[in-house]
Amino acid sequence: QKEVEQNSGPLSVPEGAIASLNCTYSDRGSQSFFWYRQYSGKSPELIMFIYSNGDKEDGRFTAQLNKASQYVSLLIRDSQPSDSATYLCAVRGYQKVTFGIGTKLQVIP
Amino acid sequence: DAGITQSPRHKVTETGTPVTLRCHQTENHRYMYWYRQDPGHGLRLIHYSYGVKDTDKGEVSDGYSVSRSKTEDFLLTLESATSSQTSVYFCAISESDRAPYNEQFFGPGTRLTVL
Repeated sequence: QKEVEQNSGPLSVPEGAIASLNCTYSDRGSQSFFWYRQYSGKSPELIMFIYSNGDKEDGRFTAQLNKASQYVSLLIRDSQPSDSATYLCAVRGYQKVTFGIGTKLQVIP
Repeated sequence: DAGITQSPRHKVTETGTPVTLRCHQTENHRYMYWYRQDPGHGLRLIHYSYGVKDTDKGEVSDGYSVSRSKTEDFLLTLESATSSQTSVYFCAISESDRAPYNEQFFGPGTRLTVL
């Protein structure tokens, strides 16, 4: 079992829809959870972090954390073509941050 | 944007040659990291530093060494490059390794090709 799992996609959504990106992790002691956006040929860019169970909203983005289920998700409301990118989930467990392989999101105009 | 630069941005080298990649930050962050990113593997930690002259290995450290003589600079050296080290290398920095200041910010990356 991988430490951080993401579906590689691609996930295709129409413009204006809600995109839902999911991530599961194996280390129950994990405390910090991050979402990065990476455009093709560019470096990862931090868009959200969450430490507590529940939802955290920032503009069109909402991160959701459920530690009991070891599940973290990112919702993107009113998806735009400019949101088309790969989204990386990162989890800080014991002494290190582990990244998932990323989910490729395609927003169709 | 976090003040992180990497040099060179692109490099083509031959098997067996030494290669040094440089990461420079202007944020005065204590922690610095080197990752490589390969298709199907995501970002994997090579080495990290938690202070000047303080470094430790990551999950894919074989064939790599690092040095940090100043807070702002973190060097990654491939002693004798191999084709398996062809990759995109990212430097990252963080203020802390504990919440709530442990977010990592990435540099622009170096694309290394070993022929």
